[in-house]
Amino acid sequence: GESVGLHLPTLSVQEGDNSIINCAYSNSASDYFIWYKQESGKGPQFIIDIRSNMDKRQGQRVTVLLNKTVKHLSLQIAATQPGDSAVYFCAEILNDYKLSFGAGTTVTVRA
Amino acid sequence: DAGVIQSPRHEVTEMGQEVTLRCKPISGHNSLFWYRQTMMRGLELLIYFNNNVPIDDSGMPEDRFSAKMPNASFSTLKIQPSEPRDSAVYFCASTLSWGARDEKLFFGSGTQLSVL
Repeated sequence: GESVGLHLPTLSVQEGDNSIINCAYSNSASDYFIWYKQESGKGPQFIIDIRSNMDKRQGQRVTVLLNKTVKHLSLQIAATQPGDSAVYFCAEILNDYKLSFGAGTTVTVRA
Repeated sequence: DAGVIQSPRHEVTEMGQEVTLRCKPISGHNSLFWYRQTMMRGLELLIYFNNNVPIDDSGMPEDRFSAKMPNASFSTLKIQPSEPRDSAVYFCASTLSWGARDEKLFFGSGTQLSVL
């Protein structure tokens, strides 16, 4: 899940296993959500997005699930690879241009 | 395309000095964002431009911060005078058309600013 302040959640995953990263969002009126991946020394990179009229969306090796009842997002990564090691952020849209980013989850892939 | 280009990658300066961060968005993109990232506050939107016009600067922390976009291919973020609490990674991002809804934000690699 997400946390506040300095203590970022971490997830250690064995290479080849599936990863699940969780995120709680705050605004029940948000209708658009995005997952970003940030590798060390780089800017965030778009992974996948989902609108609130959907509860699941799939990409290449990634699936985002949206549960509006409990205001929860998750990102599933299939067959996790070393290149998946990064910080993952969920973001909810507050208006047409303003995103609110979560604190991030650090994913470490063990060889 | 080379993506969003930011310079410098690293900036170390002394308190009180002026700092100018630069950004070249992806060619053809109409929206430009400046974000700041710190451990304490995460990613925060500082200012948003659309078609070179500042639309929302409510995230700019103080009058010491200013941003300009003189043309579609260049933007600056200036801090004058800089303070140690401004130390952070500053990101520029751009999107193809209006805003962030249903748009991919393309981020630059950021400028790591350290104010001593």
